[in-house]
Amino acid sequence: EVQLVESGGGLVQPGGSLRLSCAASGFTVSGNYMSWVRQAPGKGLEWVSVLHSGGSTYYADSVKGRFTISRDNSKNTVYLQMNSLRAEDTAVYYCAKNMAGNYAGYWGQGTLVTVSS
Amino acid sequence: DIQLTQSPSFLSASVGDRVTITCRASQDISSYLVWYQQKPGKAPKLLIYAASTLQSGVPSRFSGSGSGTEFTLTISSLQPEDFAAFYCQQLKSYPLTFGGGTKVEIK
Repeated sequence: EVQLVESGGGLVQPGGSLRLSCAASGFTVSGNYMSWVRQAPGKGLEWVSVLHSGGSTYYADSVKGRFTISRDNSKNTVYLQMNSLRAEDTAVYYCAKNMAGNYAGYWGQGTLVTVSS
Repeated sequence: DIQLTQSPSFLSASVGDRVTITCRASQDISSYLVWYQQKPGKAPKLLIYAASTLQSGVPSRFSGSGSGTEFTLTISSLQPEDFAAFYCQQLKSYPLTFGGGTKVEIK
């Protein structure tokens, strides 16, 4: 059974950093495309980043240069390193396993990141 | 970047109603479109991929159509468990983008 469990969210000051983790089970992250999607309180979904099985990465314009997606194959875990955080990064961050068509077929429960002084 | 415009952003409907949600893309995305349903406090759930293919386990009252720049999600007979937010997403090119969402509420 596919399971995704996010962790690492919390309260951080503007300009600070945070690393989110997404622990996967039931499949290998190295063999799949993995995504992060976020949702600000009361707002819609926003695609953040994707990590291809071959290692290529892509980012939303709003986070490019500040966020980095990566994986640890030995831990079967995907990460989102978030630097230079802004108030507008406040959101629930979801990790997802992409299907063959590059859409998110399986989702984690989400982890809340709050950027505030 | 490809922009997706969903309409309406909000709709009020009754159980048994036929509901149609539209998603328009700013450029041709062929059939690289998916639809998700999201209930409050929950992660999104995939409903339809490749514009019109029903995800396994999703009730047949849901259907998707369209290609190019105009797409629709139809619920043939709204059920109590269908009251939720719905989002389209394009997969044609990075950055992938979502529509603004449609919230379906009980009339």
